[in-house]
Amino acid sequence: GAGVSQSPRYKVAKRGQDVALRCDPISGHVSLFWYQQALGQGPEFLTYFQNEAQLDKSGLPSDRFFAERPEGSVSTLKIQRTQQEDSAVYLCASSRTGQSSYEQYFGPGTRLTVT
Amino acid sequence: AQSVAQPEDQVNVAEGNPLTVKCTYSVSGNPYLFWYVQYPNRGLQFLLKYITGDNLVKGSYGFEAEFNKSQTSFHLKKPSALVSDSALYFCAVRDMLGVSGGYNKLIFGAGTRLAVHP
Repeated sequence: GAGVSQSPRYKVAKRGQDVALRCDPISGHVSLFWYQQALGQGPEFLTYFQNEAQLDKSGLPSDRFFAERPEGSVSTLKIQRTQQEDSAVYLCASSRTGQSSYEQYFGPGTRLTVT
Repeated sequence: AQSVAQPEDQVNVAEGNPLTVKCTYSVSGNPYLFWYVQYPNRGLQFLLKYITGDNLVKGSYGFEAEFNKSQTSFHLKKPSALVSDSALYFCAVRDMLGVSGGYNKLIFGAGTRLAVHP
């Protein structure tokens, strides 16, 4: 079956621009996670959705970052007034349930470069 | 503080030789541990997990990992390396703060680049 897809795969934004990154999780997956992966680092948690409810946004680095999943399927991560330090790969992952024993399935990521 | 350490930035192995990629963790409670692999321009791909039970866990592509509670380690192993195993490997542990909320939030190590030479 289809895996997690993300679009765009690459995004170049000028400093100060707003960007929107899309994630299509595996159909039927309840849980959806966003991670940020800086160059040479492991992914770091940003936020978590269970269906349409955003249960944890503790990893969002600033109030310029906003995520939504209005119908419990597709999710969008929005970054307002981008800064150079926002340059990273943004990974989306979904999981069948939120239970701890279930692995997460990752999308290919969106590489954001802020110039 | 909860954390995962991958002490080697890079591991070099000759094809056909056994490989080990090291991971140690620090969490309270029972750890749930995961290994993921990342190929260039692709997302992380799940390899295996330890939840409970046997300390030796078998996963995809001939990989296995050994959970050692006393050493707080979860090293990834393969008896005979292939050139196609060359990739970036990440160890992860569930964040107990997420567990308290009923979901599986992961803490990742910084990654280890595996290079298998012909």
